[in-house]
Formats: sequence, structure tokens, C-alpha cells
Amino acid sequence: DGGITQSPKYLFRKEGQNVTLSCEQNLNHDAMYWYRQDPGQGLRLIYYSQIVNDFQKGDIAEGYSVSREKKESFPLTVTSAQKNPTAFYLCASSIAGFGNTIYFGEGSWLTVV
Amino acid sequence: EDQVTQSPEALRLQEGESSSLNCSYTVSGLRGLFWYRQDPGKGPEFLFTLYSAGEEKEKERLKATLTKKESFLHITAPKPEDSATYLCAVQAWGNDMRFGAGTRLTVKP
Repeated sequence: DGGITQSPKYLFRKEGQNVTLSCEQNLNHDAMYWYRQDPGQGLRLIYYSQIVNDFQKGDIAEGYSVSREKKESFPLTVTSAQKNPTAFYLCASSIAGFGNTIYFGEGSWLTVV
Repeated sequence: EDQVTQSPEALRLQEGESSSLNCSYTVSGLRGLFWYRQDPGKGPEFLFTLYSAGEEKEKERLKATLTKKESFLHITAPKPEDSATYLCAVQAWGNDMRFGAGTRLTVKP
């Protein structure tokens, strides 16, 4: 089955802790994205990558970091510098280039405890 | 700055009662307008892409249309299983995709 797999589905973070959300895709897409979704707001772009070993900041990159060592994988680390990390995180992928449809994974819930 | 506004925020329909959702946008050089369906606690599911004014696309009870300033998602004779949040997004040349806040649709049997 082709698709985007995010893990874990639910994650709890203690104050001052870094946590990493996993995202793997087998769609052979070059571009991958991380979005954050808060209630009543549109999806906001955290980071995106159009090619392996290259990535760019989105609108709300502060307190987050990413890596793109493999085409299939784009993990997101939520660092202790992110002061309000409780949200629903969505990973997505697409064929490279503007105007192409973005496909999403099932999402990961992160809660600060 | 590119902006996307969806209305209404929430819509409650009786089963079989047709209606439309609106997505108005301001972008310079539209590259594509996208509609997604999102169920609670799930990732958005792709529905349609529209590229130019006058374009229409249909899928089961859903029909999406596009003008130079807005898009409509028409729902004909909806069923309870159509209940979800519907998201609109636009992409302009050289820019990231911008999402609206969504319309939460509830269809009562």
C-alpha cells in the first residue's frame, strides 16, 4: 500500500524535553512537508524539503528542526525552545514543483505534560 | 500576502438538503486551488484540484467550481457520512500552499 506513515500517533512531552516525530513515505515523492494544525486555524507550514539533504523554513519554524537524509524519510524534532508545542502535526508529500497535489499522513498528536 | 477565507465556519444540514461551501482567496498568480476533506483526528484527504477560472470537477455528491476570486464546493443531497471538515488551500507561483481554517459540516439523518 502506497502512503505516508506517521508515528507515533500520540506523544507526550515533558517540559524541557526534545521529541521526534517520524514520517515515512513510499510514494516516491521528492517533496515532503510538516504542518501544524491548531483548533480553528488553518494548517501552518513548519518546514519543507524539495530534495534530499536540503530543506527550508516555513512560517513557524522556530523551536523545530528537521533532517532529510533519505528520500523516504523526513523526521521532525520539537525542541524545548518551542514554548507551545501542543498541537496536531501533519506530514505530507508531493511531486516536486509548485501546483502539485500534497498528500497527507494520518497525523500525530503532541501534548505537553 | 496570500489569503484564504472559508465560510461558513460551521454548517448543519438535514440529510438530502443541498448547500454550498465558499472559499475566497487573494493571491498573485494562482497555480492551483485544492479541496480536502478531514475527519476528526485524521489527516486531510485530497478531493479536487482546480487550476483555472471556469473549471469544474465532480466526485459523487460533491462538485467544485472556480472563479477568479473564489471557489465553491457544492454538496448535493448530502448523507450523514459527508459530515467532516472541508479545507480549501491555494498555491501561487513561487509560494507555499496556504490553507483556510475550514468549514465544519454536520449532516443530520
